[in-house]
Amino acid sequence: ETGVTQTPRHLVMGMTNKKSLKCEQHLGHNAMYWYKQSAKKPLELMFVYSLEERVENNSVPSRFSPECPNSSHLFLHLHTLQPEDSALYLCASSPGTSGTIYEQYFGPGTRLTVT
Amino acid sequence: AQSVTQLGSHVSVSEGALVLLRCNYSSSVPPYLFWYVQYPNQGLQLLLKYTSAATLVKGINGFEAEFKKSETSFHLTKPSAHMSDAAEYFCAVSEPNFGNEKLTFGTGTRLTIIP
Repeated sequence: ETGVTQTPRHLVMGMTNKKSLKCEQHLGHNAMYWYKQSAKKPLELMFVYSLEERVENNSVPSRFSPECPNSSHLFLHLHTLQPEDSALYLCASSPGTSGTIYEQYFGPGTRLTVT
Repeated sequence: AQSVTQLGSHVSVSEGALVLLRCNYSSSVPPYLFWYVQYPNQGLQLLLKYTSAATLVKGINGFEAEFKKSETSFHLTKPSAHMSDAAEYFCAVSEPNFGNEKLTFGTGTRLTIIP
């Protein structure tokens, strides 16, 4: 396994379902991120975890619940979503958060459709 | 606060012609700047980054970008377009915020290559 992996790659769920997105990084990084990518909009940063601690929550609705059990894994738990939540959800990781700027490495994304 | 503007949501160039994708930034401190590329059904891949060293930055796949502080620009260029360059390109800016670097992305430019 290399880089950042995400599962599933595609997910269709009803508004009353509960599902989870999984991200795993094999790069030994300390920081992980969730982004939402919608058509014709800039990437929206949702959550940032540094050394398994949440350091950023950009006013994301509570129907999205992140979990970072260790520095290699990141989850996004979904429940009672709305159709406007349909988007590509991207996970990323970076080496550290010490004040030095590092590039972020992205996974291939999960294409979520809410029906 | 930092922001990025990408002029032109769609750019078409002929194969072999010059590629020019425009990016202007706003930042309250010396910024770090990035260009990412996204191929269909994939995540974002780093093309190149500017981190206050040389103003002309060379990246992968023959791309380069020049940081111009006076113009607050970081335009991406490639002398000769190839069919495989067709993708969406994102410019991003980051400011060091000790313990929590954030990337702010532009809305993206879709590059089409005409055979």
